[in-house]
Amino acid sequence: GEDVEQSLFLSVREGDSSVINCTYTDSSSTYLYWYKQEPGAGLQLLTYIFSNMDMKQDQRLTVLLNKKDKHLSLRIADTQTGDSAIYFCAESTNFGNEKLTFGTGTRLTIIP
Amino acid sequence: DSGVTQTPKHLITATGQRVTLRCSPRSGDLSVYWYQQSLDQGLQFLIHYYNGEERAKGNILERFSAQQFPDLHSELNLSSLELGDSALYFCASSVGRRGPRETQYFGPGTRLLVL
Repeated sequence: GEDVEQSLFLSVREGDSSVINCTYTDSSSTYLYWYKQEPGAGLQLLTYIFSNMDMKQDQRLTVLLNKKDKHLSLRIADTQTGDSAIYFCAESTNFGNEKLTFGTGTRLTIIP
Repeated sequence: DSGVTQTPKHLITATGQRVTLRCSPRSGDLSVYWYQQSLDQGLQFLIHYYNGEERAKGNILERFSAQQFPDLHSELNLSSLELGDSALYFCASSVGRRGPRETQYFGPGTRLLVL
């Protein structure tokens, strides 16, 4: 079955770049997503990438996909205190966004 | 505020009991999704309804069931509750167009504690 893994914690100094990594096992994954969960809140879709792309950039966010190694990363440039949250990687193999398999989540802590 | 409402916010009950969680989607959204977030299982997709019909099923136990009503609100029924069912249950809604750009808007969640 599908399995998505992430490291649990990441600490970054304010102003530095954060890189959150994710690995997945299902080679038929079609879409890969990054979600953000702030304390006490639900999930917010940050960005997604289609499996035939290598990179996608959206303002401070850069997503890199290495399909051969089944590795996905999210880079947040100029990390701010408001970026403190849990970041979930998720994958889908169908039309996208309908049946998501989530990673364990990475808790990003910003050091002032 | 995402526009998705969930009731109740908190629920404390005993093992063996049955509870119903309610979700009202954003106005105009036809799709409703249910998720479970627990410490040991992480975040799991449970089930997706579109305009009253089940569209996709995830890791939903047989003791759990859901439905979406004609007014598009949805209920998640959890029966024969076990300690391990203690979790945060999220509902999300979306317009219902298939595709990766379909943004799901999440409600604040219902925190269930089974004692």
